[in-house]
Amino acid sequence: DGGITQSPKYLFRKEGQNVTLSCEQNLNHDAMYWYRQDPGQGLRLIYYSQIVNDFQKGDIAEGYSVSREKKESFPLTVTSAQKNPTAFYLCASSIDGSRRFNEQFFGPGTRLTVL
Amino acid sequence: AQSVAQPEDQVNVAEGNPLTVKCTYSVSGNPYLFWYVQYPNRGLQFLLKYITGDNLVKGSYGFEAEFNKSQTSFHLKKPSALVSDSALYFCAVRDRANDYKLSFGAGTTVTVRA
Repeated sequence: DGGITQSPKYLFRKEGQNVTLSCEQNLNHDAMYWYRQDPGQGLRLIYYSQIVNDFQKGDIAEGYSVSREKKESFPLTVTSAQKNPTAFYLCASSIDGSRRFNEQFFGPGTRLTVL
Repeated sequence: AQSVAQPEDQVNVAEGNPLTVKCTYSVSGNPYLFWYVQYPNRGLQFLLKYITGDNLVKGSYGFEAEFNKSQTSFHLKKPSALVSDSALYFCAVRDRANDYKLSFGAGTTVTVRA
């Protein structure tokens, strides 16, 4: 899991609540990503950020929001508008998002469950 | 648009036998290709990647993969599987020319029996 930490490991949310998932990296990577993993569907990109103070929507951004105020941090907020948020969330980073051949390094993940 | 197909949901092999996990891809241009492995309730670990050059790529833990442009495939192989290789394997592709997205396959669960 390298130098990427995600917290908490498990998170429980009640209907109608917003929750924020933390992602921190000490790899000095420019680019950071958020993915959602559901059984049998692989990983789907939620948001990505190539540099500080800039981010773009991925394939499934509806109901999620992010910020990138610091290079090492890329928190993800799951809002009440996300209708089916129960999933495993993975944060990743890569040294330079503009160089497409760079591999991504992943954190250990946060499992979110809606009660 | 870019996509990845992993045609087998599960692969079962005996320890010591060769292991192959299949992957085919679709991109409009030339691809960068990646293999990752995931153990239960963990993040993904990078195994290897194809950028250019030699079609046979060697990676971590004795794994290798062969890029075949005509068949648009990038199959992962290991000559002699270990019980500890049991995990979920993902193939991913990125188009060299277009956007920054890495597209993942649905994953293949490998079980190596002792």
